[in-house]
Amino acid sequence: QSVLTQPPSVSGAPGQRVTISCTGSRSNIGTGYDVHWYQQLPGAAPKLLIYSNTNRPSGVPDRFSGSKSGTSASLAITGLQAEDEADYYCQSYDSSLRGAVFGGGTKVTVL
Amino acid sequence: EVQLVQSGAEVKKPGEALKISCQGSGYSFTNYWIVWVRQMPGKGLEWMGIINPGDSNTKYSPSFQGQVTISADKSINIAYLQWSGLKASDSAMYYCARRAIAARPGLWFFDLWGRGTLLTVSS
Repeated sequence: QSVLTQPPSVSGAPGQRVTISCTGSRSNIGTGYDVHWYQQLPGAAPKLLIYSNTNRPSGVPDRFSGSKSGTSASLAITGLQAEDEADYYCQSYDSSLRGAVFGGGTKVTVL
Repeated sequence: EVQLVQSGAEVKKPGEALKISCQGSGYSFTNYWIVWVRQMPGKGLEWMGIINPGDSNTKYSPSFQGQVTISADKSINIAYLQWSGLKASDSAMYYCARRAIAARPGLWFFDLWGRGTLLTVSS
């Protein structure tokens, strides 16, 4: 059972918009700790996609966006493309565990 | 090129010891913490622990405290993850990644990842 909760899967047709939720608690997201998102393509290492809730590292397309409110955060992918098929993980800091916590991951399928 | 290069895949027997490595290049190694993350087959990411290569200050996830040892040698830009007695349940992919030293407390994100070391433990 992951500390952060994500839906196991989401899907959408090419060009559509999909969102992935990430729900935490008062010891992590609810305290105000930032949420970060990683993309893991099949057979590859995770890659930082969004940091500090809303920021994209250089090279990440602006089709990817993040938001945070209260004890939850969301990742949105607009203009879904076949190459976006991957697992997506949210991550934050937890003051009780005194370390990083991850969501269980969400598999995005492009129909 | 800025990268983290991990040691190769390992196949070990239960009870054997193992040390895997993660070498940083293209950046100042002591300016970043190195974190270790486990991914069991078909499962998600789990934070194991983190080390400051500059002073070897180390923190472990409660789930991994006492199960593994994290160390670093800043003279050769390498961080290590080691086991003294492997179990079949240690079979997984292990990733190293980095976190900026200058990041404020509680700001934990990992901007560069190694390709992973696949560990198989089987009799």
